[in-house]
Amino acid sequence: SQQGEEDPQALSIQEGENATMNCSYKTSINNLQWYRQNSGRGLVHLILIRSNEREKHSGRLRVTLDTSKKSSSLLITASRAADTASYFCATGARGGADGLTFGKGTHLIIQP
Amino acid sequence: GAGVSQSPRYKVTKRGQDVTLRCDPISSHATLYWYQQALGQGPEFLTYFNYEAQPDKSGLPSDRFSAERPEGSISTLTIQRTEQRDSAMYRCASSSGLAGGYQETQYFGPGTRLLVL
Repeated sequence: SQQGEEDPQALSIQEGENATMNCSYKTSINNLQWYRQNSGRGLVHLILIRSNEREKHSGRLRVTLDTSKKSSSLLITASRAADTASYFCATGARGGADGLTFGKGTHLIIQP
Repeated sequence: GAGVSQSPRYKVTKRGQDVTLRCDPISSHATLYWYQQALGQGPEFLTYFNYEAQPDKSGLPSDRFSAERPEGSISTLTIQRTEQRDSAMYRCASSSGLAGGYQETQYFGPGTRLLVL
């Protein structure tokens, strides 16, 4: 079963704009990770945020985590055509199975 | 190796046949994971290994699915008597730390797309 729920399911923006995706989850977590999947390619790890962290940056990416609301957001600033992909949040459960639990993903389209 | 590799990249088989998928993790990575990803969905956890030990098989859909990592490096996932519902992308990932503790980043391979006719 999939714990994470990304929102929106699909997002289309103009190149140069910022894109924000949200993720909600259900159980207590050790950490939350964001992955990108391009069409026909593998999953690429973007960023990991631990349960005791509230915000993290990596290049044009900014991730926030609110454990009280069991939610996270991924912000991509100054979007580029190459950012077109599906974005998944994945949680590592505290005390549970050690595999990641993924959401269904947000499909992001950057219009040139 | 430089990254996680999987083979074959594509596999077409007939219902009822057995298939074996292979994963070669990043060298020295202790932990290896298998996931199944249906079209339009996120990956779903199947099982994982700490070196050659397999502490968790909870995600395997049925007893037709089995996985091995006999020497703590390369792993295989075998599906016996395949069914059409087994058609999916099968992804392998590895991480440097031992699962069960503070979890680290998982690095994914390109996947094997399995089609059961």
